[in-house]
Amino acid sequence: EDQVTQSPEALRLQEGESSSLNCSYTVSGLRGLFWYRQDPGKGPEFLFTLYSAGEEKEKERLKATLTKKESFLHITAPKPEDSATYLCAVYFNKFYFGSGTKLNVKP
Amino acid sequence: GAVVSQHPSWVICKSGTSVKIECRSLDFQATTMFWYRQFPKQSLMLMATSNEGSKATYEQGVEKDKFLINHASLTLSTLTVTSAHPEDSSFYICSARSGQGINEQFFGPGTRLTVL
Repeated sequence: EDQVTQSPEALRLQEGESSSLNCSYTVSGLRGLFWYRQDPGKGPEFLFTLYSAGEEKEKERLKATLTKKESFLHITAPKPEDSATYLCAVYFNKFYFGSGTKLNVKP
Repeated sequence: GAVVSQHPSWVICKSGTSVKIECRSLDFQATTMFWYRQFPKQSLMLMATSNEGSKATYEQGVEKDKFLINHASLTLSTLTVTSAHPEDSSFYICSARSGQGINEQFFGPGTRLTVL
């Protein structure tokens, strides 16, 4: 049974078209949720850590939010350089990674 | 801060040979390091977790004798792929974490292994 599910698998946006990526999880007793960005052929780059429901964090055009069952990564007015795969991970007794959302932002 | 390096970034070897990949935390002490494998267009698959000075904990299905992990210091872990075969070709990524539990992991840039 998947512990972490990300949707959609792929997302194509026009430059400036805001949207959200979803990360839902089934583990109970969540101790932390992490968002990473991965460019092709590179290791994931750390973006955010969220610890409790209601928490929000922002970085440039990205905003991460957390509820008791899911997290959203909101992308406001994306640019082509935001194109990447976005991974989320949850920590329960160990780290569980989702399969990622591949974002493509067209100019 | 929180920089993790890997060496080499890519390697090509002949079937039957062994390959060693190094993972270093450059600006922090990593009490725990993780080794992942990633196939094209797929997410990260955790292979093993290593704590400095102790034996690595391997995930189910990962051969301990094939993927040797050594975490000799707080800044260095190595993964040796022994008697590599073409099916071992993959993208190997390490990550490092200071402290325990819920601290975030910081990833290295990855190593592309191709076995001919």
